[in-house]
Amino acid sequence: GQQLNQSPQSMFIQEGEDVSMNCTSSSIFNTWLWYKQDPGEGPVLLIALYKAGELTSNGRLTAQFGITRKDSFLNISASIPSDVGIYFCAGQGGATNKLIFGTGTLLAVQP
Amino acid sequence: SAVISQKPSRDICQRGTSLTIQCQVDSQVTMMFWYRQQPGQSLTLIATANQGSEATYESGFVIDKFPISRPNLTFSTLTVSNMSPEDSSIYLCSVGRGSYEQYFGPGTRLTVT
Repeated sequence: GQQLNQSPQSMFIQEGEDVSMNCTSSSIFNTWLWYKQDPGEGPVLLIALYKAGELTSNGRLTAQFGITRKDSFLNISASIPSDVGIYFCAGQGGATNKLIFGTGTLLAVQP
Repeated sequence: SAVISQKPSRDICQRGTSLTIQCQVDSQVTMMFWYRQQPGQSLTLIATANQGSEATYESGFVIDKFPISRPNLTFSTLTVSNMSPEDSSIYLCSVGRGSYEQYFGPGTRLTVT
């Protein structure tokens, strides 16, 4: 099925560094969601975005809904070891309730 | 959000057999979904579980292979039928809340030998 392109595919950083990742699509979306999946767990919703240009924070996480409605960005400031995991974006478009998921970004944080 | 549980949490099954996965939510929800996550991959929607009617399947997924039940607003099952090693995946249920937000269960890790 259709997937959104996420980059980078993986990141290996030092504790305390800031992280940026993005998600792009060829289609317009009405909603962008960001999830984090820990090993052996289901994805956990981090941030939901509903309007083009919207900038929303959740603690050290900040996400933006791109102006073109075809992309979204997630930033993590001052990373800590528990930020380790796979981050997925997901988009919703049209009249459907269905989500399309990104390819994922694996984040590794070295203490 | 909602508290979502899945049973079993993991299983190892022989090819040709079937496994039924249960998803229980602690409150009534309108929308329930089933996803597959193959090893090292992203999530792919299998179907939307509709209460009181047949599930809506995505392209590439058929009812004979993945029958779904949704007897009420808090419970759904997904059966993986006539399994082959290619069915080895994590199967996740999710529920819809608010404006298109979805919340996921912990997943069922299936290995087919």
